[in-house]
Amino acid sequence: EDQVTQSPEALRLQEGESSSLNCSYTVSGLRGLFWYRQDPGKGPEFLFTLYSAGEEKEKERLKATLTKKESFLHITAPKPEDSATYLCAAPNSNSGYALNFGKGTSLLVTP
Amino acid sequence: DSGVTQTPKHLITATGQRVTLRCSPRSGDLSVYWYQQSLDQGLQFLIQYYNGEERAKGNILERFSAQQFPDLHSELNLSSLELGDSALYFCASSVGAATEAFFGQGTRLTVV
Repeated sequence: EDQVTQSPEALRLQEGESSSLNCSYTVSGLRGLFWYRQDPGKGPEFLFTLYSAGEEKEKERLKATLTKKESFLHITAPKPEDSATYLCAAPNSNSGYALNFGKGTSLLVTP
Repeated sequence: DSGVTQTPKHLITATGQRVTLRCSPRSGDLSVYWYQQSLDQGLQFLIQYYNGEERAKGNILERFSAQQFPDLHSELNLSSLELGDSALYFCASSVGAATEAFFGQGTRLTVV
């Protein structure tokens, strides 16, 4: 069964303290690994798609990387406005390739 | 703004009632997905439509149904509502399968 698992569940950082979020997946025939940001009470906002091991994508203080078994979202010198829940997802071949989401990492960045 | 529009934003209703949630996808997107998000379950896939036809079902209860109309907007119907159906319901759209999906702002359903 396709699974997406994120860790840690919650992370608290000081402003400027870099860290990484992990997303491990067991998906047969990966057709992309997707990262989203979700603010409380809002819809998830698309960040990145990665398709092959070794691929990297960057956006401001965020960089996503992909290996054959996991993906990392690196946050460099975070600011309080980076506080949000970060979700990763992979298409599920048993559900018409609808995105199957992990439970997310809740990030809090304090000044 | 993702380009996906959901109405209403909030809905409060009593147990046993029926409600309809509406979604307008991004211009050009043929796939529409419905997700349910509750505190303890995360984002759960309910159902997918592609160009008017049902493509896949996830953890959707028999009390729930959906459809996609010729103009590609979609409706999610929830009936015989229970307290446990209280959640955020999101609609997302994409160009096709296994591509990035763009989410609406959700409908917060409260069943009392």
